[in-house]
Amino acid sequence: AQSVAQPEDQVNVAEGNPLTVKCTYSVSGNPYLFWYVQYPNRGLQFLLKYITGDNLVKGSYGFEAEFNKSQTSFHLKKPSALVSDSALYFCVEGKLIFGQGTELSVKP
Amino acid sequence: DGGITQSPKYLFRKEGQNVTLSCEQNLNHDAMYWYRQDPGQGLRLIYYSQIVNDFQKGDIAEGYSVSREKKESFPLTVTSAQKNPTAFYLCASSMTVSNQPQHFGDGTRLSIL
Repeated sequence: AQSVAQPEDQVNVAEGNPLTVKCTYSVSGNPYLFWYVQYPNRGLQFLLKYITGDNLVKGSYGFEAEFNKSQTSFHLKKPSALVSDSALYFCVEGKLIFGQGTELSVKP
Repeated sequence: DGGITQSPKYLFRKEGQNVTLSCEQNLNHDAMYWYRQDPGQGLRLIYYSQIVNDFQKGDIAEGYSVSREKKESFPLTVTSAQKNPTAFYLCASSMTVSNQPQHFGDGTRLSIL
């Protein structure tokens, strides 16, 4: 079965430290991969996508993600976390396959 | 500004009633989607539509119905057959399914009285 996994329900990071939110996928064919962020009581906001080309994708708010075909991963990263980055993050494959979400908490 | 609008933001339903959630987009997108989100959980796909007058069931379509008579509009009806309708409902749209990002509305929170 095709799937997207976010192995961590929650990630805790100190402000100013680098952050990583993990995502692995298992889909047939070439994947289309997206990261979205959700703030409380709001819809999801698009951060970045990988369709083809460069494995390192840069997105909104200083986020980036690296597509790794051999490890079937698409981890979200940011060099220096902000308290305002605290939110729920979703990894999604284009065939409407959602990860279960990772709650990111950035403490001052 | 282009965007996607869901209304109402909060909705209350008595048991045995059908209710309809509105979703309108002015992004000229062909594809539209409905998701359900329960507390502390991810999104589950209810229905999606790739084009006007066409829609497909998602993972949890039972107890729900949709229509797509206009490109801009994709209303969701929660029927009395849906036994546990209390949830946060999100509508989204995209240019196409699969390789284009989705734009989301701000959701409708449905509660049972």
